[in-house]
Amino acid sequence: DVKVTQSSRYLVKRTGEKVFLECVQDMDHENMFWYRQDPGLGLRLIYFSYDVKMKEKGDIPEGYSVSREKKERFSLILESASTNQTSMYLCASSSGGQGGFLRRAQYFGPGTRLLVL
Amino acid sequence: AQKITQTQPGMFVQEKEAVTLDCTYDTSDQSYGLFWYKQPSSGEMIFLIYQGSYDEQNATEGRYSLNFQKARKSANLVISASQLGDSAMYFCAMRGRGSGNTGKLIFGQGTTLQVKP
Repeated sequence: DVKVTQSSRYLVKRTGEKVFLECVQDMDHENMFWYRQDPGLGLRLIYFSYDVKMKEKGDIPEGYSVSREKKERFSLILESASTNQTSMYLCASSSGGQGGFLRRAQYFGPGTRLLVL
Repeated sequence: AQKITQTQPGMFVQEKEAVTLDCTYDTSDQSYGLFWYKQPSSGEMIFLIYQGSYDEQNATEGRYSLNFQKARKSANLVISASQLGDSAMYFCAMRGRGSGNTGKLIFGQGTTLQVKP
């Protein structure tokens, strides 16, 4: 079974703090994703990585950065946390390559509920 | 632009009965994939079932089946013989060629299902 783990289930931070959210997958997947989930909005993609040190912006990258130094680990960084970044953050991974691109499911971690005060 | 619409914010079903969760989509792609995920209160998104746009038969996975009507652009999830453990939020998602390099999934707003004993 695919296993995606996230460093924290719940996190409380203060406005202006630098926040690190860590994600690790054990299936040797090439692709990793960070989404945020807000009520009524579904999931929105923040950043995506298709290889070590490679990243692409998603739909809502403002206020976030990412780091992927090792294949299994993908970190989301809030450079200066703000209250509008209070949300549920979900990490996902999937296999890469061109074959079967459309049918490739993403596998998610348990999520981190972040509260910024 | 791709879009997923789930018009049922909340649903109730009696235990052991079948329930249909609605999903309509909009895309200009000819090739695309449709996914359903389950999110229990614990937060983790669980992949349930996949349907490809060119698949001739409706997808089935155990008690889950997908009622795919391509001309109507709908991909409804049918859960047979509901169980109390099916109580969760359910998300419909799609990926098309228009997703570009990210391979991102476009998610609907979700439907909360409650199974009554």
